[in-house]
Amino acid sequence: DVKVTQSSRYLVKRTGEKVFLECVQDMDHENMFWYRQDPGLGLRLIYFSYDVKMKEKGDIPEGYSVSREKKERFSLILESASTNQTSMYLCASRRGLGTRRFIEQFFGPGTRLTVL
Amino acid sequence: QQPVQSPQAVILREGEDAVINCSSSKALYSVHWYRQKHGEAPVFLMILLKGGEQKGHEKISASFNEKKQQSSLYLTASQLSYSGTYFCGTGGGDRGSTLGRLYFGRGTQLTVWP
Repeated sequence: DVKVTQSSRYLVKRTGEKVFLECVQDMDHENMFWYRQDPGLGLRLIYFSYDVKMKEKGDIPEGYSVSREKKERFSLILESASTNQTSMYLCASRRGLGTRRFIEQFFGPGTRLTVL
Repeated sequence: QQPVQSPQAVILREGEDAVINCSSSKALYSVHWYRQKHGEAPVFLMILLKGGEQKGHEKISASFNEKKQQSSLYLTASQLSYSGTYFCGTGGGDRGSTLGRLYFGRGTQLTVWP
């Protein structure tokens, strides 16, 4: 069974802290994504990675960085957390581009981050 | 490049039908539909590829008109289990899309009452 796991379901941090959100997939997928979900704004892409050590900015990368040292793990880093980064963070993965170019993304359960 | 979904919210009685629309200002190669139930992760429903194909999933079907850059999701004889937020995700010819990203709409909240 396909599985994407995220390190925490709920996280509370203080303003200015460095925050790490971890995502692990067990499907040998090439592509991994980090989204932010806020009410009424849908799923907004922060960063994605199409291969190990390869990353691309999404639509709202400011204040975030990512790391992908191993194929199965994609980390989202908030260098200095701020209250406006309080949100639900969703990780997703999918197979890389091949003969079937456009295929489904599998989502993790999400991490609800609160920055105080 | 975020697609526009309409309506923002729909309230139905069990057994009624609904249509959710997704439109883009950019040329599309594919449209993906996902459903997210409250407190859960989004789950894939179907993909429609350029070529005007139509697909179905139980009593949920969709169409894709690439000339109009639009897709519609049809929910027939809705059930309580259909409640949730529906997202369309689009892929085009831009660099991000060729690397595998999707542009998601803001979602349509569907509520089905008994």
